[in-house]
Amino acid sequence: EAGVVQSPRYKIIEKKQPVAFWCNPISGHNTLYWYLQNLGQGPELLIRYENEEAVDDSQLPKDRFSAERLKGVDSTLKIQPAELGDSAVYLCASTSGGLDTGELFFGEGSRLTVL
Amino acid sequence: GNSVTQMEGPVTLSEEAFLTINCTYTATGYPSLFWYVQYPGEGLQLLLKATKADDKGSNKGFEATYRKETTSFHLEKGSVQVSDSAVYFCALSGGTSYGKLTFGQGTILTVHP
Repeated sequence: EAGVVQSPRYKIIEKKQPVAFWCNPISGHNTLYWYLQNLGQGPELLIRYENEEAVDDSQLPKDRFSAERLKGVDSTLKIQPAELGDSAVYLCASTSGGLDTGELFFGEGSRLTVL
Repeated sequence: GNSVTQMEGPVTLSEEAFLTINCTYTATGYPSLFWYVQYPGEGLQLLLKATKADDKGSNKGFEATYRKETTSFHLEKGSVQVSDSAVYFCALSGGTSYGKLTFGQGTILTVHP
């Protein structure tokens, strides 16, 4: 079974440029997460989807970040315009059940460097 | 809100040494507790979990016991190997973290031969 696939693995852009990250979750997983991981820190939730619906986006900086999960499968996270402080690893995760009984499956992440 | 605090790192040990990584949490209600591990170049993966007080999670020689009285979930291993070198994250779900994981800051473990 394929795991969570993210692309690109690495992205270097100049500030004020746009950037987009793509995530393909494990087949059949209805819940999808985007997490932000700063250097030396634990991941922090940006947004959680149940199928196509964003059920928790309270930590997503909506002035520059947007996300979508069309058809309840793949998801895209966009930043426009990027700022220096956005340099981090963006993690995608998915699960088919509740966290009490299941687990999150993470992709390898997309590392963003903003110059 | 919920929070997780891990011991200051990094931790450096010799092979076959005993490992403890401390984790304490603040949460409402009865959260589930997890340890995730991130090996170099790989994504985060679940190491072990415990869903109620006094439960012990175990996997790959690692153990952690859910202690409600001390709000702790310390990770232990009796004899570490070089292959255990990784970053370890304590996390919880439930209460105000319903449906999501709240992570600690991570502890880097390096094991030397």
